[in-house]
Amino acid sequence: ELVLTQSPGTLSLSPGERATLSCRASQSVISNYLAWYQQKPGQAPRLLIFGASNRATGIPVRFSGSGSGTDFTLTISRLEPEDIAVYYCLQYGVSPSSPWTFGQGTKVEAK
Amino acid sequence: QVQLVQSGAEVKKPGASVKISCQASGFTFTGHFIHWVRQAPGQGLEWMGLVNPYSGGTNYEQKFRARVTMTRETSFSTAYMELIGLTSDDTAVYFCARERGPVERESLAEGFFDLWGQGTLVTVSS
Repeated sequence: ELVLTQSPGTLSLSPGERATLSCRASQSVISNYLAWYQQKPGQAPRLLIFGASNRATGIPVRFSGSGSGTDFTLTISRLEPEDIAVYYCLQYGVSPSSPWTFGQGTKVEAK
Repeated sequence: QVQLVQSGAEVKKPGASVKISCQASGFTFTGHFIHWVRQAPGQGLEWMGLVNPYSGGTNYEQKFRARVTMTRETSFSTAYMELIGLTSDDTAVYFCARERGPVERESLAEGFFDLWGQGTLVTVSS
């Protein structure tokens, strides 16, 4: 069973600061089939990044994804107030027994 | 408008079952897998399974396999998720989500979720 571990659990930052969120997989993620989502309270998740590094339609350029194999990163270059949210990584398709798996989330809060 | 609209909140007693609907509009319903994801209060996202709206085929997360049934009604462009034997641990917001790739996919390159329903709160309480 593939497990995604996100760190840190909580990130406290001021507007304009850089946010670096990590997602580590217990086994290699096939073809970098990894996505990142943003979720605000009371809302459904919103797709930010797919294929580890491809920005979804309409996502600001301050959001970027990188990584391969077992280590992936979501970077917010300059934090905006509207970026306060919980961020989840998702792997899709590593194995039949773990086809879709989410990380436990990283909360980005205002400092 | 491309969207998934879910049915309203439910309150159920332990041992009961719940059936949630997810109506698609603005895209070809039978062209994309519909997944179900749940989120317990204050917790993370948990994948439950998927239904192929074209064939009716399903794939369930092992944890839910004994209790969940995912179906669809193509004439209404609607997917359903039924969960039986509810306990307080099933109290959660349940989301449906569209998989980007086509149902006839040869790989999971587009296996991520690009469209979500608004969520349905299911509360299980005696």
